[in-house]
Amino acid sequence: QKEVEQDPGPLSVPEGAIVSLNCTYSNSAFQYFMWYRQYSRKGPELLMYTYSSGNKEDGRFTAQVDKSSKYISLFIRDSQPSDSATYLCAMTAFSGGYNKLIFGAGTRLAVHP
Amino acid sequence: KAGVTQTPRYLIKTRGQQVTLSCSPISGHRSVSWYQQTPGQGLQFLFEYFSETQRNKGNFPGRFSGRQFSNSRSEMNVSTLELGDSALYLCASSPRARGNIGELFFGEGSRLTVL
Repeated sequence: QKEVEQDPGPLSVPEGAIVSLNCTYSNSAFQYFMWYRQYSRKGPELLMYTYSSGNKEDGRFTAQVDKSSKYISLFIRDSQPSDSATYLCAMTAFSGGYNKLIFGAGTRLAVHP
Repeated sequence: KAGVTQTPRYLIKTRGQQVTLSCSPISGHRSVSWYQQTPGQGLQFLFEYFSETQRNKGNFPGRFSGRQFSNSRSEMNVSTLELGDSALYLCASSPRARGNIGELFFGEGSRLTVL
């Protein structure tokens, strides 16, 4: 079983829809949680970065962390075609004397006009 | 501020050859990490450097190596290339001393094809 599970999709939604992207994890030592967005043929870019359980909002994006359920989510409101990309969750844990950073497999999102 | 720059962007090699990839981090960033991205395995951590020292290494064979120079620029080398080494190699820099906390700034990658 992978430490971080993320449905690869693809997820196809109409423009204006609310998108929910999710990851589950098994290691309770994970402390920092991130969402990256990766456009085709580009490197990932950091979207959201959270430390604790709860919600963090940035414009149309909301990141949610539920440590008790080992579950994180990214919500995109009023989705736009320009949001079409692969979204990767990532999380870190301190293990064996160093920080271990693990990425999910990524969910491909397509927002159609 | 210039982003992370990786060269070359695309390259084609044959089995058995070796390849060197270069990465220039964002100015002021001293932590540089390397990742391999493939459709099947996703993003896999190769190694992390800080102030010319390798601080962390992933589960890759010894054919994969790297180094960091005093100006924070980094290179990675893959020797005796195999077909399975075909991938997008991504470099990321971080403003934090502990780069693999997760606040990473990625380059656009070097796409390696091994024939």
